[in-house]
Formats: sequence, structure tokens, C-alpha cells
Amino acid sequence: AQTVTQSQPEMSVQEAETVTLSCTYDTSENNYYLFWYKQPPSRQMILVIRQEAYKQQNATENRFSVNFQKAAKSFSLKISDSQLGDTAMYFCAFTITGTASKLTFGTGTRLQVTL
Amino acid sequence: DGGITQSPKYLFRKEGQNVTLSCEQNLNHDAMYWYRQDPGQGLRLIYYSQIVNDFQKGDIAEGYSVSREKKESFPLTVTSAQKNPTAFYLCASSMDRGPVNEQFFGPGTRLTVL
Repeated sequence: AQTVTQSQPEMSVQEAETVTLSCTYDTSENNYYLFWYKQPPSRQMILVIRQEAYKQQNATENRFSVNFQKAAKSFSLKISDSQLGDTAMYFCAFTITGTASKLTFGTGTRLQVTL
Repeated sequence: DGGITQSPKYLFRKEGQNVTLSCEQNLNHDAMYWYRQDPGQGLRLIYYSQIVNDFQKGDIAEGYSVSREKKESFPLTVTSAQKNPTAFYLCASSMDRGPVNEQFFGPGTRLTVL
């Protein structure tokens, strides 16, 4: 079975600073995808960034980037120039290629951006 | 606007009653999913469907049932057999082409069983 672990239940960062959220996963599969989802107080789940396991290059989306370490099974999210609107729960998720895109989620990290 | 709708936003039911949560999408997506979210546990997959008239159990299907009679609709019934039904329920959909497809989520339904 696949598992996703987020070891930081809560984090706080000041506006304009950089923060890194951690995620580790466990699988015996070789072909998979990793995602970071954001859930703001509205509880609407929003995809932040995705990474294909076969790609060595780390994915980036504007202020969001990942550090994907396949051998270590680590997938951290870096948020640069944090904004108040980044305050949310962040979930790391994983799916194996060819399994109907079923997602396995971590337990989430609550990020608070402060002035 | 294309999207996923879930209704109602809040739902209250008495213990022992079955209740059905609605999920509709107009994105022309093939696949649809139901997740349950509890505090401190992230999201867990209940059921999913890749095509009309077909669906599969997820990780926590016991006490739940679904149907997929139309491509746009994937209702979830929480039965009296579900021992702890109070939770936040999220519906999602995706295209079913290629190795992996992004899932788009609805706004969720908060179910409280009294």
C-alpha cells in the first residue's frame, strides 16, 4: 500500500518570506505522480503543482516550486514571497500511473501567513 | 461556467437515516470520485467511477453506496451502516485520458449526524 506522510501539522511564515513544507511517501512502484493541493478556509481544493516521477527536473509554478528527491522519496513544496492568500491547508498527494488517477493524501500542513 | 457542484452545503440527519449527497459536473469528465475528509486524517477515497454504469470501491467504502447512471452525476448515499458518518465530503472529477489526469474538486458537503 502507498502512504504519504506530512510531518508538520502547522507552520507559520511572515509575509514575503519563504517557507518549505515537507512530504515523504512510500511506494514500490516506479511510475507515479505527486501533487500539492491547497485548501483555503473556503475548503475548495485547488491544485498547486504536480510532478511526474520520471522527470528529474523539479516542477515550478510561479512562486511555488518543489524539491523532488526520488531516491529519498521526498517531495517538499517551497513557497516564495509568501502572501496572506497563501494561508491554507496544504496536502501532498500521490497516484500511481494507470490506476484511474486515484489519489492518496497526506494528513496536511496548516500554513498561516502573518504580517 | 464549467465546474462541479455539490448540494447541499450543510446537511443534518438523525442517526439511522440514509442520506444522499449530490454531485454534478458539466466539464464532460469521464471519471468521478468521492472523498471523505476528517480532521487530522486528510482525504480518503470512498468510491470512484471511470465510466457510466460502472464504479469501484475505494479505501473506505463500507457503509456507502453510489450510482453512475449519467456521465454528469455521481450521487453518494451514506447508509445507516456507516458507523461514523459525520464528516466533510468532497466530490471530484477528471478526464480519463493519458496516464494521469488532474482532479477538479467540488465545494464539498458538511454532513452532521445527530
